[in-house]
Amino acid sequence: GQQLNQSPQSMFIQEGEDVSMNCTSSSIFNTWLWYKQEPGEGPVLLIALYKAGELTSNGRLTAQFGITRKDSFLNISASIPSDVGIYFCAGQWVYNTDKLIFGTGTRLQVFP
Amino acid sequence: NAGVTQTPKFRVLKTGQSMTLLCAQDMNHEYMYWYRQDPGMGLRLIHYSVGEGTTAKGEVPDGYNVSRLKKQNFLLGLESAAPSQTSVYFCASSHHLLSGRVYNEQFFGPGTRLTVL
Repeated sequence: GQQLNQSPQSMFIQEGEDVSMNCTSSSIFNTWLWYKQEPGEGPVLLIALYKAGELTSNGRLTAQFGITRKDSFLNISASIPSDVGIYFCAGQWVYNTDKLIFGTGTRLQVFP
Repeated sequence: NAGVTQTPKFRVLKTGQSMTLLCAQDMNHEYMYWYRQDPGMGLRLIHYSVGEGTTAKGEVPDGYNVSRLKKQNFLLGLESAAPSQTSVYFCASSHHLLSGRVYNEQFFGPGTRLTVL
């Protein structure tokens, strides 16, 4: 089946630092989504991207739909302790729009 | 709006027992999904439904059955639980088609933590 490679697997950063993570696929996607999951909770949608090259922000979060349609990036600026969690990318494959394919997640720890 | 709700929140089963997990959504979404999440494995799709009365297999369907008798509910059944089914189960729903355009923004419930002994 289709797979998404998400990196890095984990990050340990200091409060105030910027964070970057990305997802890549061997196939073309027509939608990229970014979710955050906090301990004991379900994933929460952060940003949705629908066009190649699209750059979308949600507060301190910015995500981009790669122009090759095979990758996406998420940046968090000026991290704060409440940014702690697991960040998942998800993509919708061009040839099957019924389902999303999820990355394995980036675990973010922020130290004060 | 409650969004997506799941019952129960926690459950412990013995091997061979059966149970049903209930998912309900009040957003009038067409599509509903069941995932399981294991450490280091991300979210894996078990079964999904593209509308009332329909179901389809996902990535890891073995050992599970589902039913979608009403649009707002999606049930996940374990007929004979096995320790390998110890996991956190998430339900999600999406509009999918809105104003003629495909939107697969999935909204998740809080999860059910299942332990099979």
